[in-house]
Amino acid sequence: DAKTTQPPSMDCAEGRAANLPCNHSTISGNEYVYWYRQIHSQGPQYIIHGLKNNETNEMASLIITEDRKSSTLILPHATLRDTAVYYCIVRVGGETGGFKTIFGAGTRLFVKA
Amino acid sequence: SQTIHQWPATLVQPVGSPLSLECTVEGTSNPNLYWYRQAAGRGLQLLFYSVGIGQISSEVPQNLSASRPQDRQFILSSKKLLLSDSGFYLCAWTGGRGHEQYFGPGTRLTVT
Repeated sequence: DAKTTQPPSMDCAEGRAANLPCNHSTISGNEYVYWYRQIHSQGPQYIIHGLKNNETNEMASLIITEDRKSSTLILPHATLRDTAVYYCIVRVGGETGGFKTIFGAGTRLFVKA
Repeated sequence: SQTIHQWPATLVQPVGSPLSLECTVEGTSNPNLYWYRQAAGRGLQLLFYSVGIGQISSEVPQNLSASRPQDRQFILSSKKLLLSDSGFYLCAWTGGRGHEQYFGPGTRLTVT
């Protein structure tokens, strides 16, 4: 799996958009970008994933650059409950042979009132 | 819909005692299953994963073992716990359109 680089921490004001960057310059053509978050004392929660097109769901938007070497997770209107560690992961998609998801250190997002 | 269960939620065990943590998944068949551990203030460490009954892959050599006796059951065991085994143990399965991972509520283990 390709390696990702994320800032260790970020702050965001409540109600504003939180933009979390991720660099994955060695990503391969068949590797997807996944985002998870972990709220204190809970298991990680899947947020969104994408290959090369931008994606949006009820939780967030994922913007992937054209060269796929970086991406940004956008929480459009951050709330205090969005305070968590956010993990950016790249791995091969599909269901063959058990795909390991390796979690790095992530970005600790603090949403402040 | 699919759900994943883990028990117990919390556990306090003395050093040298055995361990058995259980994870079950409902609403899916032949899932890929995973055990992770998270030490206090640290990241997630992948311990084991399984692609089918009786098939276990170990990521980190240690005094833990895993077994998958049934399709939707994953068990984490130890014969003798160490202090360093304390942590938050999470079970996960792979599913969904993007084969993303879904995690259980976790077991918080304290070895004393």
